[in-house]
Amino acid sequence: NAGVTQTPKFQVLKTGQSMTLQCAQDMNHEYMSWYRQDPGMGLRLIHYSVGAGITDQGEVPNGYNVSRSTTEDFPLRLLSAAPSQTSVYFCASSYADHRAAYNEQFFGPGTRLTVL
Amino acid sequence: GDSVTQMEGPVTLSEEAFLTINCTYTATGYPSLFWYVQYPGEGLQLLLKATKADDKGSNKGFEATYRKETTSFHLEKGSVQVSDSAVYFCALSESGGSNYKLTFGKGTLLTVNP
Repeated sequence: NAGVTQTPKFQVLKTGQSMTLQCAQDMNHEYMSWYRQDPGMGLRLIHYSVGAGITDQGEVPNGYNVSRSTTEDFPLRLLSAAPSQTSVYFCASSYADHRAAYNEQFFGPGTRLTVL
Repeated sequence: GDSVTQMEGPVTLSEEAFLTINCTYTATGYPSLFWYVQYPGEGLQLLLKATKADDKGSNKGFEATYRKETTSFHLEKGSVQVSDSAVYFCALSESGGSNYKLTFGKGTLLTVNP
């Protein structure tokens, strides 16, 4: 059981370049999400998905796209990178059982992105 | 909307000192409350949880009690170790249909010196 995996671990981009951050989970979780972590700002939700074919915007979605074609994968696309997108990006997944008292989220190890 | 406010750091303690990190929340309904920990260079992992008022979550010597009357969930540990150095996040999730979505506080960096 690999849990939540993210690639790459580090990435440096130039302004205007595009790239995709990969996220995969092998726990058959319905819910997947992307956060960015910035100093003094905590974790802010970018986009999330509650199943294949279903995505929605979080708190800071501008400049990012997502899709969910399979249960396992939830890639995050930066269409035209900007220095303001320099951050550490975390993917997380969990079950989406609304009858449960809570659904524990499992986090990937993160991708550290620098945009020059 | 929901929000979580936690004590700003950084917090620096000596080994075996007592730790408190304050956390208060604003939410509609009856949220579940969590503390997540992030060790250097790693992702977040769940440290402890409480799903209803007066519940006490505990793990690895850390404790937090869900206080509905003060809307608080303060993290405590009686004797910290160097290995507890990490960033600690308080978080909540609403009950019901969106109980998988988390709202985080800004995090508190704890450094424990030998």
